[in-house]
Amino acid sequence: DAGVTQSPTHLIKTRGQQVTLRCSPKSGHDTVSWYQQALGQGPQFIFQYYEEEERQRGNFPDRFSGHQFPNYSSELNVNALLLGDSALYLCASSPLMRDTEAFFGQGTRLTVV
Amino acid sequence: AQSVSQHNHHVILSEAASLELGCNYSYGGTVNLFWYVQYPGQHLQLLLKYFSGDPLVKGIKGFEAEFIKSKFSFNLRKPSVQWSDTAEYFCAVNGGYNFNKFYFGSGTKLNVKP
Repeated sequence: DAGVTQSPTHLIKTRGQQVTLRCSPKSGHDTVSWYQQALGQGPQFIFQYYEEEERQRGNFPDRFSGHQFPNYSSELNVNALLLGDSALYLCASSPLMRDTEAFFGQGTRLTVV
Repeated sequence: AQSVSQHNHHVILSEAASLELGCNYSYGGTVNLFWYVQYPGQHLQLLLKYFSGDPLVKGIKGFEAEFIKSKFSFNLRKPSVQWSDTAEYFCAVNGGYNFNKFYFGSGTKLNVKP
């Protein structure tokens, strides 16, 4: 049973460019969340998708957007990249229910130059 | 809003030493509590979790944590660490309406010297 998979693993982009990151959730999970982990920090919640809709959102500008597909996979898009967007982006999946853990992918390391 | 504080940013221990990592959270309602570990080059993995019941929770690899509601704490312990425990440890909390939204602490890097 595959866990959460993310692609690509590493990415280098230039300021002002746009980037798309991808995530496939663990089998049986219908909820996908995205987190940003800056160097030396814990993961920070960006947003969560369920039934192809954004269910919750953290304190991130609308340059950060996402999508969920009918097969529950998800994309994170970031427009007009800033140097400060350099971070590890983590995808987490879970069923939509209380009292459950989240399963994390290995992340995409984004470097903005 | 919920928040999580981890007071130890970097801990260095020798093998066989005992470990205790502090975690405090702020949230007035019912919470779920977690410890995740990130080994070098690997994804975040769950060590243990608390939802309800016995406040002393046992996890994988000999780790345990105690939920003390009056102190808003969920400290992680291990009686005897091994070199393979070298990793970064994150405390996390969720609860309330946003029960699927995790709030993480800033992490504690543990270095175990052989």
